[in-house]
Amino acid sequence: EAQVTQNPRYLITVTGKKLTVTCSQNMNHEYMSWYRQDPGLGLRQIYYSMNVEVTDKGDVPEGYKVSRKEKRNFPLILESPSPNQTSLYFCASSNTGITSTDTQYFGPGTRLTVL
Amino acid sequence: AQSVTQLGSHVSVSEGALVLLRCNYSSSVPPYLFWYVQYPNQGLQLLLKYTSAATLVKGINGFEAEFKKSETSFHLTKPSAHMSDAAEYFCAVRVDTGRRALTFGSGTRLQVQP
Repeated sequence: EAQVTQNPRYLITVTGKKLTVTCSQNMNHEYMSWYRQDPGLGLRQIYYSMNVEVTDKGDVPEGYKVSRKEKRNFPLILESPSPNQTSLYFCASSNTGITSTDTQYFGPGTRLTVL
Repeated sequence: AQSVTQLGSHVSVSEGALVLLRCNYSSSVPPYLFWYVQYPNQGLQLLLKYTSAATLVKGINGFEAEFKKSETSFHLTKPSAHMSDAAEYFCAVRVDTGRRALTFGSGTRLQVQP
């Protein structure tokens, strides 16, 4: 089954304790992206990757890092989490064909609480 | 920069009634427009997308949306609401083909009353 998986689905942590949220897709997609969802704000892009070893900032990259060492994986790293990073996080992937209308497929989300 | 406005954070309809969820966009170039649905505790699922091929777009689960350039709108409709339609709906626009980021509206939660 074609899917985007995220782990963990739920995480409660404390300020300053480094954490990683994993994202994996089995559709051989070149493009991957991380979003955060906050009430009343919709989803905002954190980072994206056009292909292996190619990453760039989205709209709200502060406090986050990413890496893309393999095509299928795109982990989100919070080196020193703070309470304002409490949010619902989504990973997404899509092809990067000639058309820019490729559908982005979303993972199930990771709900992060930073105390 | 593009933006999306969804009018009404909560919409309540009776089962069998028309569903109308409003979306207006702002873009200086022709946009690509999307509607996603989010069921409780799940990720986002694509309902339909506008890619300039046709102004009336049909999606899954009986939903459709019409792109109206003069009104900069892309409202989502369904003739007859079903209880299973209760969810949060997001309108999104993409014009930056490089970054491919979707700009989302703030969402509309649809309630369906029996």
